Amino acid sequence: QVTLKESGPGILQPSQTLSLTCSFSGFSLSTSGMGVGWIRQPSGKGLEWLAHIWWDDDKRYNPALKSRLTISKDTSSNQVFLKIASVDTADTATYYCARIIRYFDVWGAGTTVTVSS
Amino acid sequence: DIVMTQSQKFMSTSVGDRVSITCKASQNVRTAVAWYQQKPGQSPKALIYLASNRHTGVPDRFTGSGSGTYFTLTISNVQSEDLADYFCLQHWNYPLTFGAGTKLELK
Repeated sequence: QVTLKESGPGILQPSQTLSLTCSFSGFSLSTSGMGVGWIRQPSGKGLEWLAHIWWDDDKRYNPALKSRLTISKDTSSNQVFLKIASVDTADTATYYCARIIRYFDVWGAGTTVTVSS
Repeated sequence: DIVMTQSQKFMSTSVGDRVSITCKASQNVRTAVAWYQQKPGQSPKALIYLASNRHTGVPDRFTGSGSGTYFTLTISNVQSEDLADYFCLQHWNYPLTFGAGTKLELK
């Protein structure tokens, strides 16, 4: 059974760096064709793809946020990490990680992040 | 960027009805479209991939169709548990983009 779980700081201040962790089980990121991505959703709004990382360490970023995003993985511990630099209130959202096999097939429950001074 | 337009923000239906939710791409995305269902307080769940293939465990009352720029998610014999938000996703080109969503409500 494939599961993913996000974790994050909950709340942080503007200009800080947001660090998110996706811990997963039921698949390996060393398997060809596998990837994990991050998507966010402000409360009551739509979904925005942020980034994803493939089994071969190929990384893809949303150009709208690329300069602020860093995605990485630790295959041995089944974790994927996302850092968002210089956050502001517009980054307040629920952040999801999801397995990607061309499309996002299994999603985590999400972690809520609030940026507030 | 490819814009995915779900022109209907809300759709009203009754239990037992057949309803179609549409998604239009701003350019040709072949069949690289997925559909998701999201209920309040929950994460999105995959329904359809590659435009017309049901994700594992999805009831056969959910059908996807389309290619190129026009895509449809049809729910036959709507059940009360189908009342939710529905989003389309194109994964043909980066950046991956979602439609804004259609909320399925009871009449």
